[in-house]
Amino acid sequence: DAKTTQPPSMDCAEGRAANLPCNHSTISGNEYVYWYRQIHSQGPQYIIHGLKNNETNEMASLIITEDRKSSTLILPHATLRDTAVYYCIVRPRAGANNLFFGTGTRLTVIP
Amino acid sequence: EAGVTQFPSHSVIEKGQTVTLRCDPISGHDNLYWYRRVMGKEIKFLLHFVKESKQDESGMPNNRFLAERTGGTYSTLKVQPAELEDSGVYFCASSPLPGQATYEQYFGPGTRLTVT
Repeated sequence: DAKTTQPPSMDCAEGRAANLPCNHSTISGNEYVYWYRQIHSQGPQYIIHGLKNNETNEMASLIITEDRKSSTLILPHATLRDTAVYYCIVRPRAGANNLFFGTGTRLTVIP
Repeated sequence: EAGVTQFPSHSVIEKGQTVTLRCDPISGHDNLYWYRRVMGKEIKFLLHFVKESKQDESGMPNNRFLAERTGGTYSTLKVQPAELEDSGVYFCASSPLPGQATYEQYFGPGTRLTVT
């Protein structure tokens, strides 16, 4: 079920932008890219999702390449509270609603 | 608005005993999901309710696990009898509309189950 590839870990300095990459080369036209994160001892938290266009919300920005085979989650000003495991997930527009969590990227924000 | 709540937050039981986990979704959410993370592994989907009906239970590991959602409100997940490999964190999530992949799932804090 693993349809995404992410680096296992990344570090980011506090206050700097964190750029988390994700490869999804087999994504199909009806699949969205979702990002969730799990902060230690909490449940997963939705961050953002997109289909083709770049998206921005109060938490992050999502940049999707034109061919949709990869994307980047950007946390513009990382704080210590952003230390978490970040999951990139592809989901179809309709049909299966369950989320397939891979191994994610463990982001550590360093003071 | 209250989020997804789960009870208990932590349960320690002996092998062979029974445990029931409870999940209260966000009010009005028709979709309810159960996931779990066993030690060292990824978070895995268990099953999905739409209101009181099981929409997808393809992730249930075996018949020792029984999920119910009577009345389409809260849900319970019973493990009987519990085995050592059932230890892990059990998450519940809910979302507002059926069949809409664009709607995010809201997760509870999880129940940490330890089987000794």
